[in-house]
Amino acid sequence: LAKTTQPISMDSYEGQEVNITCSHNNIATNDYITWYQQFPSQGPRFIIQGYKTKVTNEVASLFIPADRKSSTLSLPRVSLSDTAVYYCLVGALLDSNYQLIWGAGTKLIIKP
Amino acid sequence: SQTIHQWPATLVQPVGSPLSLECTVEGTSNPNLYWYRQAAGRGLQLLFYSIGIDQISSEVPQNLSASRPQDRQFILSSKKLLLSDSGFYLCAWSVAGDGYTFGSGTRLTVV
Repeated sequence: LAKTTQPISMDSYEGQEVNITCSHNNIATNDYITWYQQFPSQGPRFIIQGYKTKVTNEVASLFIPADRKSSTLSLPRVSLSDTAVYYCLVGALLDSNYQLIWGAGTKLIIKP
Repeated sequence: SQTIHQWPATLVQPVGSPLSLECTVEGTSNPNLYWYRQAAGRGLQLLFYSIGIDQISSEVPQNLSASRPQDRQFILSSKKLLLSDSGFYLCAWSVAGDGYTFGSGTRLTVV
């Protein structure tokens, strides 16, 4: 069964680096890995997308090992406003059928 | 720039009543359009997606239907709502190779 797996929740403190890992064993060969951030009662918001190795933008980095069966979202210096749910999204092949698979989300709580 | 509009923001409907949620996209042509549902504290469930006018694919058998009468309009409907239809409904669009852009969502409570 194709699925993605993320930790249900994480806690951290302001100024710390936070790493959230998503496992996706059945990722499709040509598909990207995308991470989203969602605040309560809002739609998810795109954070970062990558295919392999490392991608960095102004808000996060994404680390993808060579086998692409997992990915790690890295938030460099978190603040209270980074408290949100973070989702990974990948495309996966199951019995030759392509599916977009969302993780169940990681609830990140940042403490002062 | 591309924008996505979704309304209403909140809706309370009695069991058995009809439903119509509308989503429109601006600033892009021929987008892929999606309806997702999110139960309280849960992840995203894809309900429908559309690659073009009148081209709708259903991911989950249910009490809902979707239509795309115009290129940038996507409508989610039900003839008779059930209690289990309560949730947070999200419209999204994408263009091939890019990520999703989500609307602000509609919180539906069926009573």
